[in-house]
Amino acid sequence: QVRLVESGGGVVQPGRSLRLSCAASGFIFNTYGIHWVRQVPGKGLDWVSVISYDGSNKEYADSVKGRFTISRDNSKNTVYMQMNSLRADDTAVYYCAKSALEWPYLDYWGQGILVTVSS
Amino acid sequence: AIRMTQSPSSFSASIGDRVTITCRASQDINTYLAWYQQKPGKAPELLIYAASTLQSGVPSRFSGSGSGTDFTLTIGCLQSEDFATYYCQQFHSYPLTFGQGTTVEIK
Repeated sequence: QVRLVESGGGVVQPGRSLRLSCAASGFIFNTYGIHWVRQVPGKGLDWVSVISYDGSNKEYADSVKGRFTISRDNSKNTVYMQMNSLRADDTAVYYCAKSALEWPYLDYWGQGILVTVSS
Repeated sequence: AIRMTQSPSSFSASIGDRVTITCRASQDINTYLAWYQQKPGKAPELLIYAASTLQSGVPSRFSGSGSGTDFTLTIGCLQSEDFATYYCQQFHSYPLTFGQGTTVEIK
């Protein structure tokens, strides 16, 4: 079955960096795009970024453009989110999610990982 | 960015009720709309895509309709496991955007 597992979260000081990983299994990884979506505890869902199946296309929310970089390693079935210049308002649960094949809706989600930006 | 607005933000309902949640897009998105269910402490789960197509494994009491700017999610006969927060999401264009969520609470 499809499984997505996030790791790399934790507490980080403002201005510092963190890298999240999303390890995937149960599907042909190099065929699907992968998204990151975040959620401030108690609030709604906020799309962050997507990477295409081969890594050639990437999109970002304006709120993270220039600070976050998405990448993937198809040999490891893993997607990464490098988060630089972190701010307090980046504090959230970060989910990775598999994109459907034909359109970018999110058909499977990981369990999420908490990132806390605080001094 | 396309703005998605859901209504109501929350409401109370009883088991067995038929409930409807609406979602409005700030511009025409054709049928590029998905609905998700999220329970406390859990990841969202896909219910419906392309406005009205039920995701595999989702009970048939869930249905979606609409096109253009106005969409609805209907739960035909509310069950205990349906008390949750529901989100719409447009996938017409990037950035992908979600509605603010509708929480269905037990009356």
